[in-house]
Amino acid sequence: DMKVTQMPRYLIKRMGENVLLECGQDMSHETMYWYRQDPGLGLQLIYISYDVDSNSEGDIPKGYRVSRKKREHFSLILDSAKTNQTSVYFCAIPGHAEQFFGPGTRLTVL
Amino acid sequence: QQQVRQSPQSLTVWEGETAILNCSYEDSTFNYFPWYQQFPGEGPALLISISSVSDKKEDGRFTIFFNKREKKLSLHITDSQPGDSATYFCAASYMGYKLTFGTGTSLLVDP
Repeated sequence: DMKVTQMPRYLIKRMGENVLLECGQDMSHETMYWYRQDPGLGLQLIYISYDVDSNSEGDIPKGYRVSRKKREHFSLILDSAKTNQTSVYFCAIPGHAEQFFGPGTRLTVL
Repeated sequence: QQQVRQSPQSLTVWEGETAILNCSYEDSTFNYFPWYQQFPGEGPALLISISSVSDKKEDGRFTIFFNKREKKLSLHITDSQPGDSATYFCAASYMGYKLTFGTGTSLLVDP
C-alpha cells in the first residue's frame, strides 16, 4: 500500500512566524503535491513537484514555497505566516490516475 | 470560477435509503472523474472512479452515473449506512493530470 506521512499533524503559530510542513512517501514517486482544504472550498492545489528540485506552482502558490531535496520528502514552507493561511494542508502522491493523500496537517495561525 | 460543482452542499438520509450526490463540470477535456470519501480528521480516500468512455461504474453499493453530453455525474449510495456519513468530493482531470476538486457534499446517514 502507498503511504503518505505528514508531520506535524497539528500546529499553532503566531502571525509572522515561519512554518515548515513535512511530507514523506515510501514509494519513490517522482511527483508529489501540496493542497490546502478550507470549508466550502474543497481542495486547492498549492504546488506540484515533479522530482528533486523540479517544482511548479499550482493554483494558489502565493505566500508559499516548497523544497524537494530528496525524492521521498516534500516540504511546504510559509515564510511569515498569515492568519488567512489557517487551514488543513494535505500532501498527495499519484496512483494510476488518481491521487493518494496523507492524513493532513491542521495549521492555525493566530 | 469553479470548474467542478457539487450539490447539494449537505444531505441527510435515513439508514437504508439511497443517497444521490451530484456533480457537474465545465471543461470538456476532462475525461477522468474520481470520487473521494473523507472522514473527519483524515485525508480524502479514493472511493470509486469513472472515465468518460463509460456511462456507469458500479462498486458494491456505490454507483457513478455519467452523462457526457450534459457534463454531469452523480454518485448513488444504495442502502446507506451510518458508516457512510462523510464528505464526498467529486474531482475531474484530463488523463489523471492535475485533479480539479468540487467543494464537496457532506452526507449524514441517520440510523
